Amino acid sequence: DIQMTQSPSTLSASVGDRLTITCRASESISNWVAWYQQKPGKAPKLLIYKASSLESGVPSRFSGSGSGTEFTLSISSLQPDDFATYYCQQYKSFSGFGQGTKVEIK
Amino acid sequence: QVHLEESGGGVVQPGTSLRLSCAASGFAFSNYAMHWVRQAPGKRLEWVSIIFSDGTDKYYADSVTGRFTISRDNSRNRLFLQMNSLRAEDTAVYYCARDRVIINPGYYFDDWGLGTLVTVSS
Repeated sequence: DIQMTQSPSTLSASVGDRLTITCRASESISNWVAWYQQKPGKAPKLLIYKASSLESGVPSRFSGSGSGTEFTLSISSLQPDDFATYYCQQYKSFSGFGQGTKVEIK
Repeated sequence: QVHLEESGGGVVQPGTSLRLSCAASGFAFSNYAMHWVRQAPGKRLEWVSIIFSDGTDKYYADSVTGRFTISRDNSRNRLFLQMNSLRAEDTAVYYCARDRVIINPGYYFDDWGLGTLVTVSS
């Protein structure tokens, strides 16, 4: 199984901050990575697919990059609506998720 | 507008069975592969199963192989998950999710239901 490891597990930030979340795969997965945002009690929302493609309707402050084993999700200027948990997902071999990064208010 | 609504969750004892349903609307259901994804309390998301658009191909996570069966009824726009021999570790919110890619699955998900909670406890 391909393991996905995110860092950090928790991130404290303020509105307006730029932040970056990292996801590492246990083996090369090319660019078969998606990123999701999840708020408490809600279903996940697709933000990024194929490592860097922005899903329709997602604000442009979100961006993704990486290939092989290391991937990043960046938010250029954190907004109040962005405080949530973020998950990376590999889909090179079926599907597997990282453990999540909780973005909380500093 | 895509809408997915799960039902069938509840509290059951270990070793028993449960059948989840997902009603789909707002899109051409028969054109998309569909998935079940679950999330145990406080845990990461876990992909459970996929069924291809025409129902011919099905795959499962190792953790549920041999116990869970995915199916669909394209005439009724419904997705199902039959869960047998349930264990405490199957306790989770179960989401149905639409594959982002039409016809041939991409294994990532652009629309999700709100989920249904399954609790396995004696």
